[in-house]
Amino acid sequence: GDSVTQMEGPVTLSEEAFLTINCTYTATGYPSLFWYVQYPGEGLQLLLKATKADDKGSNKGFEATYRKETTSFHLEKGSVQVSDSAVYFCALSLTDKLIFGTGTRLQVFP
Amino acid sequence: KAGVTQTPRYLIKTRGQQVTLSCSPISGHRSVSWYQQTPGQGLQFLFEYFSETQRNKGNFPGRFSGRQFSNSRSEMNVSTLELGDSALYLCASSSDPSPGYGYTFGSGTRLTVV
Repeated sequence: GDSVTQMEGPVTLSEEAFLTINCTYTATGYPSLFWYVQYPGEGLQLLLKATKADDKGSNKGFEATYRKETTSFHLEKGSVQVSDSAVYFCALSLTDKLIFGTGTRLQVFP
Repeated sequence: KAGVTQTPRYLIKTRGQQVTLSCSPISGHRSVSWYQQTPGQGLQFLFEYFSETQRNKGNFPGRFSGRQFSNSRSEMNVSTLELGDSALYLCASSSDPSPGYGYTFGSGTRLTVV
């Protein structure tokens, strides 16, 4: 079945470090891809999305490129801040539901 | 513009009881979905409603049900609660349920079954 695989966390970084969170997917068709972020005690916030191959989603300094050839959608940020500490979820959608990865906790220290 | 509103934020129920959770979507959004989040199973899709019709359902027992009203507000009900139903229940809405639109999530209802 369709699925999303994310790197295990936690990812621990110092402020201003470069961030990469890996995400790969398995899908029977051509899904739309998403990154959501969850801060403590809150719901999910849509961070960015891409709907077709080679699309690049970007928001708040975060970027991810839809790579069909490697079935990947890795999340990157050039310089993380303490306020980026949260859990990040990669997700795909082929229909009207989202299929999520297990989430990656990011901890950024000053 | 108000976001997705879920009530209540917290609930404590006893095994065997039933519970109803409420979700008010963003104004104008006609698609409402529900997800269960647990540490062990992660985020799992429960069901999706569009214009009062359930269009998709996840792999959950029949104890989990939902409905959507004409104003797009939605409720989900869990009957005969089990300890394993303890979770964060998230509601999400979208103006268009097409795969590329994405959903806006509420803050969730945390249900604890004792």
